[in-house]
Amino acid sequence: NAGVTQTPKFQVLKTGQSMTLQCAQDMNHEYMSWYRQDPGMGLRLIHYSVGAGITDQGEVPNGYNVSRSTTEDFPLRLLSAAPSQTSVYFCASSYARGLSEQYFGPGTRLTVT
Amino acid sequence: AQKITQTQPGMFVQEKEAVTLDCTYDTSDPSYGLFWYKQPSSGEMIFLIYQGSYDQQNATEGRYSLNFQKARKSANLVISASQLGDSAMYFCAMRGGQGGSEKLVFGKGTKLTVNP
Repeated sequence: NAGVTQTPKFQVLKTGQSMTLQCAQDMNHEYMSWYRQDPGMGLRLIHYSVGAGITDQGEVPNGYNVSRSTTEDFPLRLLSAAPSQTSVYFCASSYARGLSEQYFGPGTRLTVT
Repeated sequence: AQKITQTQPGMFVQEKEAVTLDCTYDTSDPSYGLFWYKQPSSGEMIFLIYQGSYDQQNATEGRYSLNFQKARKSANLVISASQLGDSAMYFCAMRGGQGGSEKLVFGKGTKLTVNP
């Protein structure tokens, strides 16, 4: 099992550029989510999905889009990057039913200049 | 809404001593789960321990234990016999409660430094 994988590990964007952060899991988890981590703020939920074709907003969704066409993949799209989106992004997955732990990917460090 | 509060931005402990990291939570739902994660300087999120709201006993995992006081809505992490490798950020999180059972809500974290 690879667990939760994220690509790329590092990315630098210019303001206004768009890009997609990739996330995949091989544990057949229904639930997948994206967080951003900023200094002193903990992890804040951006978007989440409870299954293929179902997504919902978290605490800080503005400027990000997601889709879930398969159980395995949950990409996060930045539509028009802004310096405020400079952060570390984590993808996580778990079983949806029950209060199970979430498994985290290694993170993507994004810098927007 | 769900909320997790970690009031200690930083904690220091001597190697081999025990340390308690504080966590309080807010929910009116009777069914929820509490989690602790460790984030070393390398950046990955490592799951440490879980406590369910209906669990009768405090959770333990090796040197980690959770001091769960339901009436006070607190879920403090106790690390016994601290090691240098325990130096890291520690996050308390809650799943369940109001607003949807799937979402995991995090506190802002406590930075633990273990001194030799």
